[in-house]
Amino acid sequence: EDKVVQSPLSLVVHEGDTVTLNCSYEVTNFRSLLWYKQEKKAPTFLFMLTSSGIEKKSGRLSSILDKKELFSILNITATQTGDSAIYLCAGIIQGAQKLVFGQGTRLTINP
Amino acid sequence: EAQVTQNPRYLITVTGKKLTVTCSQNMNHEYMSWYRQDPGLGLRQIYYSMNVEVTDKGDVPEGYKVSRKEKRNFPLILESPSPNQTSLYFCASSGGQGVSYNEQFFGPGTRLTVL
Repeated sequence: EDKVVQSPLSLVVHEGDTVTLNCSYEVTNFRSLLWYKQEKKAPTFLFMLTSSGIEKKSGRLSSILDKKELFSILNITATQTGDSAIYLCAGIIQGAQKLVFGQGTRLTINP
Repeated sequence: EAQVTQNPRYLITVTGKKLTVTCSQNMNHEYMSWYRQDPGLGLRQIYYSMNVEVTDKGDVPEGYKVSRKEKRNFPLILESPSPNQTSLYFCASSGGQGVSYNEQFFGPGTRLTVL
């Protein structure tokens, strides 16, 4: 059975801290991994990772995929209160648009 | 404005009363999908559609039906809703000219309560 597991499920830090969110996957015919940010409503796309070891970066956010160890991390540096959200990762199955999501990590940034 | 719309946004209904949640996108996307989101379980895919008249089951299709008669619309039908279908539902679309199939655009969500 295809499975994506995120950790931690919940994280509370202070503004300015750096956080690392984890996503491990067991997905048959894995193609890519996606990261989304969900605030009060619909998820918004952050990154797509297909190749191992190549970091994707957007401002203070960065992510990398390890296809040998079957995991990805999402780093956020110099966190701000606006980073408070649920962060979701999802594996895409090759040849289909079937997505398998993890449970999400609820990140809270305190001022 | 490019968007995915869902209606209704909130719905309270009773067990067994058929309902339809509509989803429409104005981006000419080929791919559309339905998810449900429950606490502690993340997003789970119900059905998806690669194009008109092409649909396939996701991970939790039981109790749901879909149709894709037009490219822009992808309604979700609950023929006989039950309380375990109480959830937050999202429609998403992606894929088309210059748009990656992977960057899915999500609708605002429909919160459904089945009593």
